[in-house]
Amino acid sequence: DVVMTQSPLSLPVPLGQPASISCRSSQSLVRGGGGIYLSWLHQRAGQPPRRLINDVSKRDSGVPDRFSGSGSDSNFTLTISRVEAEDVGIYYCMQFTHWPHTFGQGTNLEIK
Amino acid sequence: EVQLVESGGDLVQPGGSLRLSCVGSGFTFRVFWMNWVRQVPGKGLEWVANISPDGSMKRCVDSLRGRCSVSRDNAGNSLFLDLNTLRAEDTAIYYCLAWGASAYWGQGTRVTVSS
Repeated sequence: DVVMTQSPLSLPVPLGQPASISCRSSQSLVRGGGGIYLSWLHQRAGQPPRRLINDVSKRDSGVPDRFSGSGSDSNFTLTISRVEAEDVGIYYCMQFTHWPHTFGQGTNLEIK
Repeated sequence: EVQLVESGGDLVQPGGSLRLSCVGSGFTFRVFWMNWVRQVPGKGLEWVANISPDGSMKRCVDSLRGRCSVSRDNAGNSLFLDLNTLRAEDTAIYYCLAWGASAYWGQGTRVTVSS
């Protein structure tokens, strides 16, 4: 199985400051044809996850433009340009290039 | 409004069986890959199974191989997960997930395997 490794696992950030989460995969996520199937999810306490970013860098509908995704091959980054209070929670990267689809361990973002 | 509503979670004894169901509304169910993802409360996420829009392709993760079957009824906008020979490690919240150009999650149904 493809192992997804996130860092950091805990991320205290002052309001209004930027934040960045790294995600590395144990194998390339490039599928034949060039597609890279890497998503970012956000989960608040007691709620199901919500997808923020699909296909490395495509923001889902309704996701603020302070969220952006980047990366290629096996190294990916989620960046929040200015953290707001509603951004607290756990962020997961997820790959669906290979079966089984796998998730990172999660990064807990809190307000410092 | 998009909704995915799961049901069927319960307390079952080890070795028992369950059928989880999920009904979708507010979106075109039949064009989405449908999925089950589980989460032990307070822990991470694990993809359990998925099924193609027409139901011709389906698979379960290795940890559930031989104990898991996923199916769908597009006429009824429904997704199913049959689990058998349940083990304590199958205890989790099971989420129904529609995955495509958009992604929709249900609120989850809780499965507890314990004697």
